[in-house]
Amino acid sequence: DTGVSQDPRHKITKRGQNVTFRCDPISEHNRLYWYRQTLGQGPEFLTYFQNEAQLEKSRLLSDRFSAERPKGSFSTLEIQRTEQGDSAMYLCASSSRGGGEQYFGPGTRLTVT
Amino acid sequence: DQQVKQNSPSLSVQEGRISILNCDYTNSMFDYFLWYKKYPAEGPTFLISISSIKDKNEDGRFTVFLNKSAKHLSLHIVPSQPGDSAVYFCAASVMYSGGGADGLTFGKGTHLIIQP
Repeated sequence: DTGVSQDPRHKITKRGQNVTFRCDPISEHNRLYWYRQTLGQGPEFLTYFQNEAQLEKSRLLSDRFSAERPKGSFSTLEIQRTEQGDSAMYLCASSSRGGGEQYFGPGTRLTVT
Repeated sequence: DQQVKQNSPSLSVQEGRISILNCDYTNSMFDYFLWYKKYPAEGPTFLISISSIKDKNEDGRFTVFLNKSAKHLSLHIVPSQPGDSAVYFCAASVMYSGGGADGLTFGKGTHLIIQP
């Protein structure tokens, strides 16, 4: 039984570059969520998908952030023109149809230099 | 404006004793509450949840209590073990009538330290 996986685990990039992160949810889960966590804070909800439909994206931090889940399986989160303030842990979670519990992956640590 | 508050940044408890972590919320629409445990450099691990139709839920050493009128919930761990040392996050959500939930709203966490 595999859990949520995220790739890469760590990413170091220079300011102004674009980055893309991947999340593979638990296989039978149809909902997928993205969060950001900064030091000393709890995870902050960004967006979520039910199958391939993005049902909430108003919480994305700026128009530099976008997410996709083209076939309702894995998802990608892209940040364009990265800024130093984007440095954070980016977490992905999934849940089953009707389930309230969300199961998190290990996260991708982004450092923008 | 923080809708979920954990007012104790840290808590130290002796091994074998009871650990009580507290959480307050302000949004009356929240009807599903969860506790997560987090180790450094890992994602949060789901511990236990409770629906607003209940006031208590128990799973092994973990019990969550919900007081809707006070908008307060607590997590009890008994007995506390060294492996319980971690950051604990309280989270809340609104459940849809057909099941499933929107994104979770988290508190800032409480760092629990279990002393031998």
